[in-house]
Amino acid sequence: DVVMTQSPPSLPVTLGQAASISCRSSQSLVHSDGNTYLNWFHQRPGQSPRRLFYKVSARDSGVPDRFSGSGSGTEFTLKISRVEAEDVGVYYCMQGSHWPPYTFGQGTKLEIK
Amino acid sequence: EVQLVESGGGVVQPGGSLRLSCAASGFTFITYTMNWVRQAPGKGLEWVSCISSSSTIYYADSVKGRFTISRDNAKNSLYLQMNSLRDEDTAVYYCARGGITSGSPGGYWGQGTLVTVSS
Repeated sequence: DVVMTQSPPSLPVTLGQAASISCRSSQSLVHSDGNTYLNWFHQRPGQSPRRLFYKVSARDSGVPDRFSGSGSGTEFTLKISRVEAEDVGVYYCMQGSHWPPYTFGQGTKLEIK
Repeated sequence: EVQLVESGGGVVQPGGSLRLSCAASGFTFITYTMNWVRQAPGKGLEWVSCISSSSTIYYADSVKGRFTISRDNAKNSLYLQMNSLRDEDTAVYYCARGGITSGSPGGYWGQGTLVTVSS
């Protein structure tokens, strides 16, 4: 199974400051079809997960452009250029290139300082 | 508007059974892969199972042989039959739609239903 490792586990950020979350996979996520199936999800307390990005950097509808997804191979990053209060919660990366199973990172909890 | 509504959760004793349902609306259900994903209290997300539009099925090793996923396209519904339940199956269970090019859990999730395995 592909192991997804996120860092840091906890991320205290000041409002208006930038934030960055790293996600590493135990093997390359380049699929045989040439795509890289790496998704990012955000889960607010008490809510269902919401997908932010698919295929590394394709932004889902309604996701603010202060969010960006990047990376390739085994190293991926989610960046928030200016953190707002509504960004709190847990962020997960998930790979869909080598399945089953689909595997998630352990999560990064973003909180406001 | 796409909607996924789970039901069927509750409290069950170890070794017991439960059947979860997910009612789908707002899209052509028959054409999409559907997934179950769970989240133990205070923990991360764990993929459980998926069923494709052609009813090809996959399971996580942790539930293989105990859980059965199925779908009824006429009723736009997804199911998860859970047998031989264990304490570690306690979680919120979400149904999640796959995408067009990838069947992985994607942009649409239900609100979840809580399963508690306890004596």
